[in-house]
Amino acid sequence: GAVVSQHPSRVICKSGTSVKIECRSLDFQATTMFWYRQFPKKSLMLMATSNEGSKATYEQGVEKDKFLINHASLTLSTLTVTSAHPEDSSFYICSAVGGGAAYNEQFFGPGTRLTVL
Amino acid sequence: GQNIDQPTEMTATEGAIVQINCTYQTSGFNGLFWYQQHAGEAPTFLSYNVLDGLEEKGRFSSFLSRSKGYSYLLLKELQMKDSASYLCAVYNDYKLSFGAGTTVTVRA
Repeated sequence: GAVVSQHPSRVICKSGTSVKIECRSLDFQATTMFWYRQFPKKSLMLMATSNEGSKATYEQGVEKDKFLINHASLTLSTLTVTSAHPEDSSFYICSAVGGGAAYNEQFFGPGTRLTVL
Repeated sequence: GQNIDQPTEMTATEGAIVQINCTYQTSGFNGLFWYQQHAGEAPTFLSYNVLDGLEEKGRFSSFLSRSKGYSYLLLKELQMKDSASYLCAVYNDYKLSFGAGTTVTVRA
C-alpha cells in the first residue's frame, strides 16, 4: 500500500514551453501533497505544500506564477512549470501524506527528470 | 532557519558497519527521519525518531539525542545494494527539511 506515482518520469522540452507533472496517490487519499526539486548531489528542497481544494503554500523564493500547483482531488496534484528555461532543469519529486500512515510519514513518488533545452 | 549537516561521502567494505552522523539546528523539532535514495529514484523511508534513544530495525538502527541536536544512522553487515545516498530530514510544522545527503559506497 501507500504507492505514489508520477507522470511523466522524464521529459525534455524546449525553452519557453510549459510542462505539467502529475502526482497521484494510487491506493490512498492524500490530505496533503508536497513538491520538491533536487539538483544533482544536492538535497531535496521543498517548493510548496498542496492541500486538496485550497491554494498551495509556497516556500520562500519559489515563484508561484512560474510553478503552478493544482490539487483538484484527494488523489491528484499537478505541478506546471510555465515558460521553462534551462535553469529549471532538475529532478522534481512529489510526496503524499495520508492513508492512516503513522508519523505523518510522507510517501514519495519516483520523481520526474525535467530537461529544458 | 534550518541547518542540517551530514558528511558528504563515506566508503566502507562489504560486511562492515558504517555510522552516518547528522547534526541539526532548526527552528522547531517534531521528529527526525532517515531516508535511502538511489541515484535517480525517490527516497525510501528507513526510520523515524521522535524520542531520545536507539531504534533498531534489522540491519539499520537510528539514534537521536534532542538535547544535542544529533542523530546517527547505523548500517550493519553492509551489502553492495546499500550503496546509495542517505538523507537526514527534520520534521517540523508538518514539513520535512532535508540534509544534503551522505553518499555511501560499499566496496567488495
